[in-house]
Amino acid sequence: EDQVTQSPEALRLQEGESSSLNCSYTVSGLRGLFWYRQDPGKGPEFLFTLYSAGEEKEKERLKATLTKKESFLHITAPKPEDSATYLCAVQGGSEKLVFGKGTKLTVNP
Amino acid sequence: GAVVSQHPSRVICKSGTSVKIECRSLDFQATTMFWYRQFPKQSLMLMATSNEGSKATYEQGVEKDKFLINHASLTLSTLTVTSAHPEDSSFYICSAYSGGAPEAFFGQGTRLTVV
Repeated sequence: EDQVTQSPEALRLQEGESSSLNCSYTVSGLRGLFWYRQDPGKGPEFLFTLYSAGEEKEKERLKATLTKKESFLHITAPKPEDSATYLCAVQGGSEKLVFGKGTKLTVNP
Repeated sequence: GAVVSQHPSRVICKSGTSVKIECRSLDFQATTMFWYRQFPKQSLMLMATSNEGSKATYEQGVEKDKFLINHASLTLSTLTVTSAHPEDSSFYICSAYSGGAPEAFFGQGTRLTVV
């Protein structure tokens, strides 16, 4: 059974304080690992897709990396507007996405 | 990115009534749509998968007679919560695949409150 575990559950940072979020996964036949951002009361917003170990993608202050067992979402010099819940999901043999519980990030000014 | 529109964003209904939630893909044809339910501080739980023109596939533990899913066209799927009860109160989210891209795009979600 595909599984995704995200850590930490919650993270508080000061503005400008860089950090990383972790997503550990087990999946049979990884078709893709996805990162989404979710604001309160909203649907998830797509950020990145990673397909194979060693792959990296960047968008503004965010950088996602992938190994065979985990993915990291690095946040460089975060701003208050980066505050949100970040969700990781994997897609295995079927089209279904399996989500982790997310990391709630709060960036204080 | 692709746009998925979900309506309504919030709905309050009386216990025993039915509620319909619509999910539309605005700029692409969605071969597959998914319906999720999300409880506070919990992850998205997949309820069912629907493909255009065929019956939905429900996840284990989801009552198909209570949560009716219709995927009548490549741009529209609906979820009807029948005979709603307070325990059905939750955040419902749809997502859609175009088939050409691996990532799913999500609607804005619907907050259902049953009173």
